[in-house]
Amino acid sequence: DQQVKQNSPSLSVQEGRISILNCDYTNSMFDYFLWYKKYPAEGPTFLISISSIKDKNEDGRFTVFLNKSAKHLSLHIVPSQPGDSAVYFCASGGGADGLTFGKGTHLIIQP
Amino acid sequence: EPEVTQTPSHQVTQMGQEVILRCVPISNHLYFYWYRQILGQKVEFLVSFYNNEISEKSEIFDDQFSVERPDGSNFTLKIRSTKLEDSAMYFCASSTGTSTVYEQYFGPGTRLTVT
Repeated sequence: DQQVKQNSPSLSVQEGRISILNCDYTNSMFDYFLWYKKYPAEGPTFLISISSIKDKNEDGRFTVFLNKSAKHLSLHIVPSQPGDSAVYFCASGGGADGLTFGKGTHLIIQP
Repeated sequence: EPEVTQTPSHQVTQMGQEVILRCVPISNHLYFYWYRQILGQKVEFLVSFYNNEISEKSEIFDDQFSVERPDGSNFTLKIRSTKLEDSAMYFCASSTGTSTVYEQYFGPGTRLTVT
């Protein structure tokens, strides 16, 4: 069963515009959520996280929004830059448990 | 900036052979993890390790797998008798475990090819 879902396999955005990546989850017990960025043949790179008790967390160009009632979170990147082109994974966890990952969204930033 | 390192970057082995994948977690981290990603699929949790013992494992982590922290820096994953379906990228990760969000930092991965 897919406890973490990223329904868009790919997303194309123009450089300078906002990129919005979406993620849905089914398990209400998750304590926190994270976004990772991954280039081919590299490990996932941690970007930003949010605790389940918050609804927004911001770090530079990256903002994560959490809507617990809808079991939905999103990652906003503004402005989008060419180096942002990568696969973005949503992940969730509870305590020190292993993370549950979504399938990823391939973000393509077009010049 | 401290980072998780993994060796080797690529391992080719024959079916039935034993392999050991090595990781050096970030030095002040307390929680260690192994994940795998089969080509075209999502990253899957295998096992977590804390205080010199397994704290959680997934259904993938069967008797063929074992983990060890043989000294103060290395963290290893052993696959006793490899199968073709073990071919995947294997990622090690570590976490401080000192905040409410257990942010995990991943290594670059080991590509395991079983022939």
